[in-house]
Amino acid sequence: DIVMTQTPLSLSVTPGQPASISCKSSQSLLHSDGKTYLYWYLQKPGQPPQLLIYEVSNRFSGVPDNFSGSGSGTDFTLKISRVEAEDVGVYYCMQSTQLPRTFGQGTKVEIK
Amino acid sequence: EVQLVESGGGLVQPGGSLRLSCAASGFTFSSYWMSWVRQAPGKGLEWVANIKQDGSEKYYVDSVKGRFTISRDNAKNSLYLQMNSLRAEDTAVYYCARDSSSLFDFWGQGTLVTVSS
Repeated sequence: DIVMTQTPLSLSVTPGQPASISCKSSQSLLHSDGKTYLYWYLQKPGQPPQLLIYEVSNRFSGVPDNFSGSGSGTDFTLKISRVEAEDVGVYYCMQSTQLPRTFGQGTKVEIK
Repeated sequence: EVQLVESGGGLVQPGGSLRLSCAASGFTFSSYWMSWVRQAPGKGLEWVANIKQDGSEKYYVDSVKGRFTISRDNAKNSLYLQMNSLRAEDTAVYYCARDSSSLFDFWGQGTLVTVSS
């Protein structure tokens, strides 16, 4: 199975400041079809996860442009350009390049 | 509006069985793969199983193979998860998710399964 490792596991951010989360996979996520199936989800308190980013860098419908994703191969990053109160929760990366789909441990983002 | 509503969770003894259901609406259910994803209390997310549009392909995480069975009824717009030989480590909130081109774009609110004596 592909192991997804996120760092840091927790983050305390001043509103308006940027934040960055790293996700590393134990194998390359580049599929034979040329796509990289790396996703980012946010789980707000008491809610199911919601999709933020698909295929490394594409924002899902309705996701504000202060969220961005980047990376390739085994190293990926989610950046929030200006953290707002509504961005608190746990962020997960997930890979779908190979079954079973696997998630990172999650990064808890809090507001200072 | 896409809606996924899970039901069937509850308290069950170790070794027991439970059947979860997920009622889908707001989209053409028969056109999508569907998945179950679980989350143990205070823990992260774990993909459990998925099923192809016509039910002809099913995949499972190793920890549930031989114990859980995913199925669907496209006429009823419903997804199911039959869980047998339940263990304490199966205790989790189980989410139904629409599986669209390798991503989960919509999730239900989840149903809690507790395995305890």
